[in-house]
Amino acid sequence: IAGITQAPTSQILAAGRRMTLRCTQDMRHNAMYWYRQDLGLGLRLIHYSNTAGTTGKGEVPDGYSVSRANTDDFPLTLASAVPSQTSVYFCASSPDSGANVLTFGAGSRLTVL
Amino acid sequence: QQQVKQSPQSLIVQKGGISIINCAYENTAFDYFPWYQQFPGKGPALLIAIRPDVSEKKEGRFTISFNKSAKQFSLHIMDSQPGDSATYFCAARNYNTDKLIFGTGTRLQVFP
Repeated sequence: IAGITQAPTSQILAAGRRMTLRCTQDMRHNAMYWYRQDLGLGLRLIHYSNTAGTTGKGEVPDGYSVSRANTDDFPLTLASAVPSQTSVYFCASSPDSGANVLTFGAGSRLTVL
Repeated sequence: QQQVKQSPQSLIVQKGGISIINCAYENTAFDYFPWYQQFPGKGPALLIAIRPDVSEKKEGRFTISFNKSAKQFSLHIMDSQPGDSATYFCAARNYNTDKLIFGTGTRLQVFP
């Protein structure tokens, strides 16, 4: 089934550790996004990529980095995790950078202790 | 600062009733207003969307009402069903950045 695969589904992490959340899509979408979802704050854009080889900062980029080496993969890295990064992380994609229709993955729940 | 303000935070409706979720915005650079539906343990999925050149869009039991002058838009769910129980997010796209700004979400519970 075409869509977005995120891994891991859930992870508990000690503060200060490095963590990479993986995201792969098989729809050949050009644009990809990382959001975090927090109760009362909704979905906030962390980083995005309009096309392979390019990335940009969203609303809350601090403490996160991304790369887009090819069309399908868009990993999100926390270089040194802090408790405030405890959240549910969603990867999404859209056919182009216009963000008309976003397809979301099932999410990765991250707890930083 | 929340660019898209959504209310209420939670909503309880009886089966067959009308669910209404409201959103308001300030930025005049928004040109596209989608609503996303999210079931527990799943990612959000596009439900319905509207552009500011129309005042209403209806798809089945779901209707978006859009008031450009008031910078407000709302989602109406007619004949609400228990299967509609989910979290709903409004959003607005900034045409300068091509990025969506989401509201804070509304958790809807429909009881039989």
